[in-house]
Amino acid sequence: QVQLQESGPGLVRPSETLSLTCSVSGGSISGHYWSWIRQPPGKGLEWIGYVYHSGTTYYNPSLKSRVTILLDTSKNQFSLKLNSLTAADTAVYFCARIPLFLEWYFDYWGQGKLVTVSS
Amino acid sequence: SYELTQPPSVSVSPGQTARITCSGDELPKQYAYWYQQKPGQAPVVVIYKDNERPSGIPERFSGSTSGTTVTLTISGVQAEDEADYYCQSAPTSGTSLMFGGGTRLAVL
Repeated sequence: QVQLQESGPGLVRPSETLSLTCSVSGGSISGHYWSWIRQPPGKGLEWIGYVYHSGTTYYNPSLKSRVTILLDTSKNQFSLKLNSLTAADTAVYFCARIPLFLEWYFDYWGQGKLVTVSS
Repeated sequence: SYELTQPPSVSVSPGQTARITCSGDELPKQYAYWYQQKPGQAPVVVIYKDNERPSGIPERFSGSTSGTTVTLTISGVQAEDEADYYCQSAPTSGTSLMFGGGTRLAVL
């Protein structure tokens, strides 16, 4: 059973950079796509981007200029960096797996990490 | 810009059938997926590739398509089905993934 777990700071100051890590257990990180999704309090889901084990990435155009997603196959982890933070970036951040090419959905999710942007 | 549109809320009585729609101009060319999210939890996929049901998802959940609208149907709704439901889609290239705004299902 694949399990994902987000980790990182829960409070970040405005204008700084959010850094989160997702640790994958119960399966290899190779052969799948790995994604970040966020959900502001009381609002809907927003796809942030994904990385493939080859290192290929795709990002939501609305966030592309501020986002970097990287893969660390040696640790079976992937990470999210989001810079130039504002209060609008306050959200629960989920990591998730996309199972296969052409099956662009999320079959396994982490429990989510609340990140608050505040001074 | 491309959007997936869902009704904000749907209400049904226990045992009735709930239908939640999702509309988008690209849906005839793309698969749709549906997620159930309960408070404080991560979403769970209940329908993938328009009408496929993952193992462990009750048979009362089904998906269908008609033109630019996809529908999640929950037959014989139970109290435990009260949740937020999100549709999601993506082009075959996978270059952009998108969620609908979500629908809150109330079981009265």
